[in-house]
Amino acid sequence: AQSVTQLDSHVSVSEGTPVLLRCNYSSSYSPSLFWYVQHPNKGLQLLLKYTSAATLVKGINGFEAEFKKSETSFHLTKPSAHMSDAAEYFCVVSNGNQFYFGTGTSLTVIP
Amino acid sequence: ETGVTQTPRHLVMGMTNKKSLKCEQHLGHNAMYWYKQSAKKPLELMFVYSLEERVENNSVPSRFSPECPNSSHLFLHLHTLQPEDSALYLCASSQSSSPSGINEQFFGPGTRLTVL
Repeated sequence: AQSVTQLDSHVSVSEGTPVLLRCNYSSSYSPSLFWYVQHPNKGLQLLLKYTSAATLVKGINGFEAEFKKSETSFHLTKPSAHMSDAAEYFCVVSNGNQFYFGTGTSLTVIP
Repeated sequence: ETGVTQTPRHLVMGMTNKKSLKCEQHLGHNAMYWYKQSAKKPLELMFVYSLEERVENNSVPSRFSPECPNSSHLFLHLHTLQPEDSALYLCASSQSSSPSGINEQFFGPGTRLTVL
């Protein structure tokens, strides 16, 4: 069985400070992992995806995520938050055609 | 913006109306999905089509009827909806057997549905 837990429903950071959005997954075998971002009244946009080639994955807009098998985690980070990063973020685990979404983390960036 | 388009972007309908949502993907994918996103609720998978066959139906009420005439188009037919069906309906597509094995979904912008 596969599942995703996003540990924080809301995160607030000041502009220019680091961002950490936490995600833990459960999977019975090697998963595919993704982070998506959703701006208000928009669809979901892929930020980054995990392949087995590298545990540190770089995505768009300066975001990164590190796959840690021992911790079953795939946390999303960014060194310096920008106002435009304010959005909803979803962690996703996949097996073929099945996609399991986390409940989302709302990121607020304070000027 | 993306290779997945949805029309209309906004829809207001009465409970007795019949309407359809349309999704089109221009990415050559072989799987398409309907999701429902309600305020303060997790994303809900409604239907999955793979190679134009419905492979998943997540206990969705019969007032929602999907149709996938070909691999590029997906419809969601709506009939006698309830106010609690008001939500953002998102379409997505993916390639279920890509050479890289990575099969991320690409999402459309959604249709904001309001049922009066």
